[in-house]
Amino acid sequence: QVQLQQSASELARPGASVKMSCKGSGYTFSSYTMHWVRQSPGQGLEWIGYINPSSGYTEYNQKFKDKTTLTADKSSSTVYMQLSSLTSEDSAVYYCARGGLRRFFDYWGQGTTLTVSS
Amino acid sequence: DILLTQSPAILSVSPGERVSFSCRASQSIGTSIHWYQQRTNGSPRLLIKYASEFISGIPSRFSGSGSGTDFSLSINSVESEDFADYYCQQSNSWPFTFGAGTKLELK
Repeated sequence: QVQLQQSASELARPGASVKMSCKGSGYTFSSYTMHWVRQSPGQGLEWIGYINPSSGYTEYNQKFKDKTTLTADKSSSTVYMQLSSLTSEDSAVYYCARGGLRRFFDYWGQGTTLTVSS
Repeated sequence: DILLTQSPAILSVSPGERVSFSCRASQSIGTSIHWYQQRTNGSPRLLIKYASEFISGIPSRFSGSGSGTDFSLSINSVESEDFADYYCQQSNSWPFTFGAGTKLELK
């Protein structure tokens, strides 16, 4: 069965960077894009961007473009999202979600909670 | 960016009732709208793709309709497990956007 396993919760200081991961299993990893979605406390969902693991191509929401770097390691079926210059406004739950040619998200990870605090 | 406006923000119903959620797009997006359910402390779950296409494993009481700018998600007879937040998402153009959600709560 398809599973997306995300890395554990993170606590980071303002100004620091973090790198979280999402490991796919139960499907052909390189055949699907991987998207990232942010959910701030008590808020809705925001699309951050996606990566095509096969080509390494990325597309970012302009809002997150300067803060976010997406990478993929096909050998371990894992995608990574690095967030830089963290502020308290980056505190949120971050989800990875499998996409595809038809551009909806059919499987989601369990979420990684990021807390930015001094 | 395409703005998705969901209404109402909160819907209070009793089990067994039929409910509908609305999602309106700021410009025409064909049928490029998808619906998700998010239970408390859970991850979103895909319910309906491309406005009205069913998803394997999703109960048949969930259905979707609409095209252009106006879309709706319906639950034929609400069950206790359906009390959750519901979001629409458009994939017509980048960046993908979500509506602010509708909370379905127990009356």
